[in-house]
Amino acid sequence: AQSVTQLGSHVSVSEGALVLLRCNYSSSVPPYLFWYVQYPNQGLQLLLKYTSAATLVKGINGFEAEFKKSETSFHLTKPSAHMSDAAEYFCAVSDRVTGGGNKLTFGTGTQLKVEL
Amino acid sequence: EAQVTQNPRYLITVTGKKLTVTCSQNMNHEYMSWYRQDPGLGLRQIYYSMNVEVTDKGDVPEGYKVSRKEKRNFPLILESPSPNQTSLYFCASRQRGGTDTQYFGPGTRLTVL
Repeated sequence: AQSVTQLGSHVSVSEGALVLLRCNYSSSVPPYLFWYVQYPNQGLQLLLKYTSAATLVKGINGFEAEFKKSETSFHLTKPSAHMSDAAEYFCAVSDRVTGGGNKLTFGTGTQLKVEL
Repeated sequence: EAQVTQNPRYLITVTGKKLTVTCSQNMNHEYMSWYRQDPGLGLRQIYYSMNVEVTDKGDVPEGYKVSRKEKRNFPLILESPSPNQTSLYFCASRQRGGTDTQYFGPGTRLTVL
């Protein structure tokens, strides 16, 4: 069974500081991995995805993530945080094994707070 | 505009009163899913559908029903809601094949008293 672990349910950074949100996964097959962002009172928006091409993936709003197979990690980073980045972030792994119905297995989320 | 829509966005109801949350997508996607989001638990899949008249249970199907009579619509039915179904619900869709990217609706916040 696949699973995702997000370390840190709450992360606080200063505006302009590096953002690092951690995600580790477990999957029996080479995974597809995703980061979604959820702004207050909104649905989930795709930030970026890894689909077995380049291991460094660039997404929207200056975010990027690096797939590291040896560490089973897919951490999300942004060099300089902005107030508008305050949101909840979810890492997810796709069930590419038939029978899973294209289920995304989500981590429990990390709430990012950006302070002045 | 390509989108997934859900209605209602907010609903307060009482235990046992049947309700339906509608979901519709205009992207001609084959796959559709329902998730519930609870604090500290992330999102968990309730039901999914791989095409018209093809549905199956996800991780937390108890107390829910779905139907897929048309490709664009995937309603979620709570025959007898209970307080433990108070949650934020998301519908999602994606096309067959590709890279499994799912597109999410705006969510329905349900409170069962």
